[in-house]
Amino acid sequence: QKEVEQDPGPLSVPEGAIVSLNCTYSNSAFQYFMWYRQYSRKGPELLMYTYSSGNKEDGRFTAQVDKSSKYISLFIRDSQPSDSATYLCAMSASGANSKLTFGKGITLSVRP
Amino acid sequence: DGGITQSPKYLFRKEGQNVTLSCEQNLNHDAMYWYRQDPGQGLRLIYYSQIVNDFQKGDIAEGYSVSREKKESFPLTVTSAQKNPTAFYLCASLGGVSYNEQFFGPGTRLTVL
Repeated sequence: QKEVEQDPGPLSVPEGAIVSLNCTYSNSAFQYFMWYRQYSRKGPELLMYTYSSGNKEDGRFTAQVDKSSKYISLFIRDSQPSDSATYLCAMSASGANSKLTFGKGITLSVRP
Repeated sequence: DGGITQSPKYLFRKEGQNVTLSCEQNLNHDAMYWYRQDPGQGLRLIYYSQIVNDFQKGDIAEGYSVSREKKESFPLTVTSAQKNPTAFYLCASLGGVSYNEQFFGPGTRLTVL
C-alpha cells in the first residue's frame, strides 16, 4: 500500500460545479497536509496548508482533514476554467521543512 | 523579483552523457530540494540540502549528484548511471511565514535521446 493515494482522474466538470478532490494516507504520523496546484509545464504552487484535523477555507477553496479516517479533501466551489490544472496533495510528519510525500496528482478540466 | 529560476527549460541529452541542471534562488532560503516528476507518479524527492555544504539523499538518489557551495545555488547532475533520466525536474526552496511552504521553480524537462 502506498503511503499516499490520490484519485487518478482525469476529472472534467462544467463551469460552476463543485469539485471534490481526495487523498487517503496510511502513515498516522502525518500531521501537516498541503494541496498544490500545477498548471501545465509549470512548477507546483501551494494552494492550501493545514495542520491536524479540521477545515480551512480560502475564498472558493476549502481543505478538509479527517485524521481518524486518514482522509483529506479539497473542495472547489463555483469552479472556473482557470481552475483547470493538476492538483497534488502532499503531507508530512514534521511540516514543510521535512520530507513531503506527494500523491500522484489529479488533472482537473473545467469546461466553459 | 524574488524567486527560483531553473535552467534550461528544455534539455536534450544523448545516452551515456552527464548533464547538470541549474537551480538558483534569491529568496535567502536555507533549505533547497530536487524532485523528479513522471507522468502518473507525482513528485519524488531526489536530494535535499538544509544548509550550505550539506545535503542528504532523498528517495531516488541513485544516478544523481548535487552540490551546495552557495546558499543561492543547488545544481543537480544527472549521471549516465541514471537508467531512466527522461523526466520533469523541479527545484524547490523552503520559506513562508512559518517555514511552511516549499516554493517551486518552473522546472526543467530533460529528454534522453
